[in-house]
Order: sequence, then C-alpha cells, then structure tokens
Amino acid sequence: SQQGEEDPQALSIQEGENATMNCSYKTSINNLQWYRQNSGRGLVHLILIRSNEREKHSGRLRVTLDTSKKSSSLLITASRAADTASYFCATEKIQGAQKLVFGQGTRLTINP
Amino acid sequence: GAGVSQSPSNKVTEKGKDVELRCDPISGHTALYWYRQSLGQGLEFLIYFQGNSAPDKSGLPSDRFSAERTGGSVSTLTIQRTQQEDSAVYLCASSLGGIRTEAFFGQGTRLTVV
Repeated sequence: SQQGEEDPQALSIQEGENATMNCSYKTSINNLQWYRQNSGRGLVHLILIRSNEREKHSGRLRVTLDTSKKSSSLLITASRAADTASYFCATEKIQGAQKLVFGQGTRLTINP
Repeated sequence: GAGVSQSPSNKVTEKGKDVELRCDPISGHTALYWYRQSLGQGLEFLIYFQGNSAPDKSGLPSDRFSAERTGGSVSTLTIQRTQQEDSAVYLCASSLGGIRTEAFFGQGTRLTVV
C-alpha cells in the first residue's frame, strides 16, 4: 500500500492564486519530501522537511509537517502557468529499509 | 555524467520477449531506486539498492522481474517473458544515501509490450 496519499487528486486554479496540496501518511517517518513531475517523465525534487521541523520555505513554496496528524501540506503562492504539473509527496520510514515511497500525486493545472 | 541516465528512453517489445533496462546513477550516489509508473498513476516502488545489495525487493511484481547493480554504480532491471501489463514508464533514481535522501530521477524508459 502507498505510504503517502495526496489530496486532492486534481486541482485547477487561476494564475496568480495560491495552490494547496495535502499529503497523509501512515507510519512514523524520518522525513517527507515533495517532488514535481512534468509530462509523465522524471521527477524533480522540490523540498525536504525533517520530522523535527514544522515548516519550511523555498521561494514560492511553503511546506508544513504535522507529525501528530501524520500529514503535510505544500503551498504554492502566486501560481504561474509553468507550475502546471503533478506533485508527489514521498516519505522515508524510520524503521526498515530507507526507501522513498511515493503517493499517487496531485495533478495541478494553472489556467492563464 | 551530470544526472541520472536511463536507456533506452523508449522500448517496444513483443509479448514474451525479455527486456533489459539500464540506469546510470549520479557518480558517488550509493542509493539507487527503481519505480514503475502507469499512465496517470503514482509511482510504484520496485526495488532499492544500497551499494550493490538490495535490502528491499518487496516491490518486484513477480519472479519475472529482477535487478542487479554492479560496482555500486550501474543497475539493470530485467523483465523476462514480458506481458502487456508490464507496459509503463520505468523510472530510476539515485541519492547520496544516509541522511541525504533527496532523490534525483532519470527521464525514464517507456516500455510498450505489444
């Protein structure tokens, strides 16, 4: 089963608006990461937040982590058409092999 | 090379044939991952290497799938007796490992079984 589950599955907003995507997971983690994928090929790492962090910023991206609720959110501010992509969260569990497990992703469409 | 390289980028094969997919990770990256992605779906974990060993093979769908990594570098994913349901994009990623787990992905191999 997938460790991370993103919602919504799809999100469509107007350029300039903010986009928020959520990720929930089941087991305790070392860290949680967000990735972006254009055109169904390679993913690009966006941001990593460790289990002892609550919020992290990178440019127009803001990530929060709530380990008590086992959830994270990715906020993209002032969205641009070029932000249109699929966004995935990935978790690395504390126990077991240090592998990255991805969710099903959120398909974000920014309308000009 | 500067990034993760996968070959071939596209592969069309007949049902029942064997295929080999290759991944060249970033130099010095000890961790290597294989994922499979069907159209419009999430990433399905297949196998993970730390160096040359594979501590987690739990994602391999069947015994037709195998993977190896030699010299702590290049990895090959082999699918024997391919089936139509094997059609997907196969993605490889590598990372430094340890606490530096940010993964760098290749562009994938699109496998089509006809």
